[in-house]
Amino acid sequence: DAKTTQPPSMDCAEGRAANLPCNHSTISGNEYVYWYRQIHSQGPQYIIHGLKNNETNEMASLIITEDRKSSTLILPHATLRDTAVYYCIVHAGNMLTFGGGTRLMVKP
Amino acid sequence: NAGVTQTPKFQVLKTGQSMTLQCAQDMNHEYMSWYRQDPGMGLRLIHYSVGAGITDQGEVPNGYNVSRSTTEDFPLRLLSAAPSQTSVYFCASSYRFLTSGYSYNEQFFGPGTRLTVL
Repeated sequence: DAKTTQPPSMDCAEGRAANLPCNHSTISGNEYVYWYRQIHSQGPQYIIHGLKNNETNEMASLIITEDRKSSTLILPHATLRDTAVYYCIVHAGNMLTFGGGTRLMVKP
Repeated sequence: NAGVTQTPKFQVLKTGQSMTLQCAQDMNHEYMSWYRQDPGMGLRLIHYSVGAGITDQGEVPNGYNVSRSTTEDFPLRLLSAAPSQTSVYFCASSYRFLTSGYSYNEQFFGPGTRLTVL
């Protein structure tokens, strides 16, 4: 599986968009980009995934560059409840490999 | 749906004791897996199963056994607990979706079992 690189931490003001970057320069053609988050010590929560095209759901948007070597997760209007560790994962199979993630702190 | 349930929530063991962590899902998911998370770290895959009767090792399988006799249940057995197995254990399940030759899934995680080995 391709490895990912994420900043260890980021801050965001409440109500503003949170843009979380992820580099995955060794991604293979059949590997998806997944985003999960983990709030405090709860089980991780699926957010979104994509292969080539940008994706949007009720939680977030995922922007994947044309060469697929990087992506950005966008939380359009961050709230205090979005404070969590966000994991970017690239994988082709069924099981996930988690890295260190980005600790997002949403501040009032 | 209850989703993915795990029991117990907390457990304290003495070195050398054995125990089974329970995981059940009611979503008829094919795939189930066990992860451990040490303090300040990401999750690491222990064992996984792609269907009843089929299991395989993940990244850190030593000291753990699994079996999958039903679609719903995927217990994790600690054979002889060691302090290095102190961790939070998460169970997850998912469908496997196939489209245009690519496969992907969305994993649902349980609330975790916090295990301390003295």
